[in-house]
Amino acid sequence: DIQMTQSPSSLSASVGDRVTITCRASQSITKYLNWYQQKPGRAPKLLIFGATNSESGVPSRFSGSGSGTDFTLSISSLQPEDFATYYCQQTHSSPYNFGQGTRLDIK
Amino acid sequence: EVQLVESGGGLVQPGGSLRLSCLASGFTFSDHNMNWVRQAPGKGLEWLSHISTSGSIIYYADSVKGRFTISRDNAKNSLYLQMNSLRDEDTAVYYCARAGSTWYAANFWGQGTLVTVSS
Repeated sequence: DIQMTQSPSSLSASVGDRVTITCRASQSITKYLNWYQQKPGRAPKLLIFGATNSESGVPSRFSGSGSGTDFTLSISSLQPEDFATYYCQQTHSSPYNFGQGTRLDIK
Repeated sequence: EVQLVESGGGLVQPGGSLRLSCLASGFTFSDHNMNWVRQAPGKGLEWLSHISTSGSIIYYADSVKGRFTISRDNAKNSLYLQMNSLRDEDTAVYYCARAGSTWYAANFWGQGTLVTVSS
């Protein structure tokens, strides 16, 4: 099975900051890497699919990069609504494991 | 408007069974792969199962293999998860999610249904 490791597990930042979250796969997943945002009590929302493709309606401050085993989600200028938990997920091969999540909160 | 509505959650004793349903609307259900994902209280997301458009390709997480069965009825626009031999650790919110056809990302999620396994 492919294991997904996110870092950091938690992150404090301020409105306007640029933040980067990383996700590492235990073996190559080419570009089968997706990023989700989840707010408390809500279902997750897809942000990025195929490592670099933005889902329709997602603000342009969110971007994804990487291929193979190392991936990043960047938020260029944090807005108040961006404070949430972020998950990566690989869909290269079953089981489609998620990372453990990165909680982003206000400094 | 795209909608996924889960139902069937509730309280069940350890060793019991439950069948979750997910009713889809607002899109052509038969054109989309589907997934079940769960989230235990205060924990992260756990992918459980995937089913292809026709139901011919099915995958499971090791944690539920042999106990849970995913199925779909395209005529009824419905996805199902039959859960048997339930354990305390199966307590979670269960989400159904629509998957994209190229990268298989979960691009739309239901609101979730809570399953509580307790005596």
